[in-house]
Amino acid sequence: EPEVTQTPSHQVTQMGQEVILRCVPISNHLYFYWYRQILGQKVEFLVSFYNNEISEKSEIFDDQFSVERPDGSNFTLKIRSTKLEDSAMYFCASRGPQDLQETQYFGPGTRLLVL
Amino acid sequence: GQNIDQPTEMTATEGAIVQINCTYQTSGFNGLFWYQQHAGEAPTFLSYNVLDGLEEKGRFSSFLSRSKGYSYLLLKELQMKDSASYLCAVRDAPGGYQKVTFGIGTKLQVIP
Repeated sequence: EPEVTQTPSHQVTQMGQEVILRCVPISNHLYFYWYRQILGQKVEFLVSFYNNEISEKSEIFDDQFSVERPDGSNFTLKIRSTKLEDSAMYFCASRGPQDLQETQYFGPGTRLLVL
Repeated sequence: GQNIDQPTEMTATEGAIVQINCTYQTSGFNGLFWYQQHAGEAPTFLSYNVLDGLEEKGRFSSFLSRSKGYSYLLLKELQMKDSASYLCAVRDAPGGYQKVTFGIGTKLQVIP
């Protein structure tokens, strides 16, 4: 069964450093999303991406964040200058064009720790 | 704004039935999802309701009342592996790119 994959599974970085989180969505999917989950808190929407552009973003997704689909298979989230409060689990999700239930399928996540 | 409420914790016995409730107040409504999340793992899709009524899928069923802003997830014949958090999530508008807003999740503990 096809699945969303994410790399790395864990990332430790120093405050102020740039990080790039990578995702490979399910191959025929057209809608892509990033969510984050701070430890013990709820899953929060960051951004959605369709047709090579951002469709919607939350107030969390400020100028420090960017997304890109560089090669038709990868979908990346970049944080330019990490802050302590960026420490969280980051989930990528994708959704297919023919899914009547419009289900978003989540990857296993990248646990980011900012020191 | 969006507001999704569900109990934070529940405990149930192996083999029993448990009902997890969710109420929501959203600016619009275009579907309610239930996800299961084991600790440290990604949410996995369980069910989707967009019309009123009950959707049954094996041991899991989900109910929706749009007029009441209410849903529940029913788990039958509980197994130890069902111990997890159950996330209620609402999409407030149509469109494939639209975000899903999650509740805090209900942590279910299944005991022998």
